[in-house]
Amino acid sequence: DTGVSQNPRHKITKRGQNVTFRCDPISEHNRLYWYRQTLGQGPEFLTYFQNEAQLEKSRLLSDRFSAERPKGSFSTLEIQRTEQGDSAMYLCASSLLWLSGNTIYFGEGSWLTVV
Amino acid sequence: GESVGLHLPTLSVQEGDNSIINCAYSNSASDYFIWYKQESGKGPQFIIDIRSNMDKRQGQRVTVLLNKTVKHLSLQIAATQPGDSAVYFCAENMLIQGAQKLVFGQGTRLTINP
Repeated sequence: DTGVSQNPRHKITKRGQNVTFRCDPISEHNRLYWYRQTLGQGPEFLTYFQNEAQLEKSRLLSDRFSAERPKGSFSTLEIQRTEQGDSAMYLCASSLLWLSGNTIYFGEGSWLTVV
Repeated sequence: GESVGLHLPTLSVQEGDNSIINCAYSNSASDYFIWYKQESGKGPQFIIDIRSNMDKRQGQRVTVLLNKTVKHLSLQIAATQPGDSAVYFCAENMLIQGAQKLVFGQGTRLTINP
């Protein structure tokens, strides 16, 4: 069992540049989530997919953010025209929705530093 | 509003002692709760979960207690070890407009003293 995989693990970028993060969920998990976490805070929900459909987006997700899951497997999160306030850890998680539960498993996160 | 919070931001215990980490939640309609452990620089790691139709669930060295009357959740760690040092989050799994969403509290930092 390989778990949720994210890359790159760390990214330093200049303000105004675009960045893209990739997430590979646990095999056969039909739900994929993106969360953002800043220092000292709990993760905050950004968006989630069920298979390839993006079902919900948080108000935290400005129009500079876009997420895709084109084939219902891996997902990408792109941030355009990065700002210093985008510096955070971006967490991907996945789950297999079933009648008795929906345990969500997280990856190790992708750290973004905007300078 | 929808929020999950923790009573204490930090907790220090002696190695070998038992630890109790508390959590309050506000949404009485939530039916599923999860405890996560997060070590520095890593993603949250699932520890144990509990459904609202239960009041206690045990794992290996961990026990979660749920008191729906006062909307309180606790995580008990028996015989704490240095490797238990981490930030612990409780998360409330809510169904909002057909979507399952985890709402996290701020976390409690557990420090194990030798």
